[in-house]
Amino acid sequence: RKEVEQDPGPFNVPEGATVAFNCTYSNSASQSFFWYRQDCRKEPKLLMSVYSSGNEDGRFTAQLNRASQYISLLIRDSKLSDSATYLCVVNSVGGTSYGKLTFGQGTILTVHP
Amino acid sequence: DAGITQSPRHKVTETGTPVTLRCHQTENHRYMYWYRQDPGHGLRLIHYSYGVKDTDKGEVSDGYSVSRSKTEDFLLTLESATSSQTSVYFCASGRPEQPQHFGDGTRLSIL
Repeated sequence: RKEVEQDPGPFNVPEGATVAFNCTYSNSASQSFFWYRQDCRKEPKLLMSVYSSGNEDGRFTAQLNRASQYISLLIRDSKLSDSATYLCVVNSVGGTSYGKLTFGQGTILTVHP
Repeated sequence: DAGITQSPRHKVTETGTPVTLRCHQTENHRYMYWYRQDPGHGLRLIHYSYGVKDTDKGEVSDGYSVSRSKTEDFLLTLESATSSQTSVYFCASGRPEQPQHFGDGTRLSIL
């Protein structure tokens, strides 16, 4: 089983739609969770951190379920500029995993007019 | 942004030649990382460093070596490049449990 698994998509949605991405992780020792965004042929950039209580940043909402080892990202009122690949990222601490991030393969989103 | 730069941005070379990629950060981050990204595989960790002269292997370290003589600089070397090492290489820096910040990437083609 992969350490971090995402539905690769692609998700094709119209402008204004709400879209949700899911991610599962296998290491119960994981402590920190993030969503990154990567545009075509560019570097990954932090979109938002994911906190246990859930958090929101404008149109973006992230949720964490530690019991199910599940992370989600909800995008409301999709814009054309939201088209990108969204990476679920998990940081494990302890032992040889300390300081490392594990990336999911990414979910491709295309928002069309 | 974290102030992290990679050089070169693009490189084309031949099989069997040595190649060195450079990563420079100005954030005084203790941790630095080298990844490669290929279609169907996502980002995979090659090597990382947790301090000057302190490095360790990632999941795809075969054929690569690294060096860190200063906090700011982390070098990735392909001793004898092979076509399977054609990829996009990203450097990152950060602190444990915190997000990593990435450089712009190096597109390496080995013919």
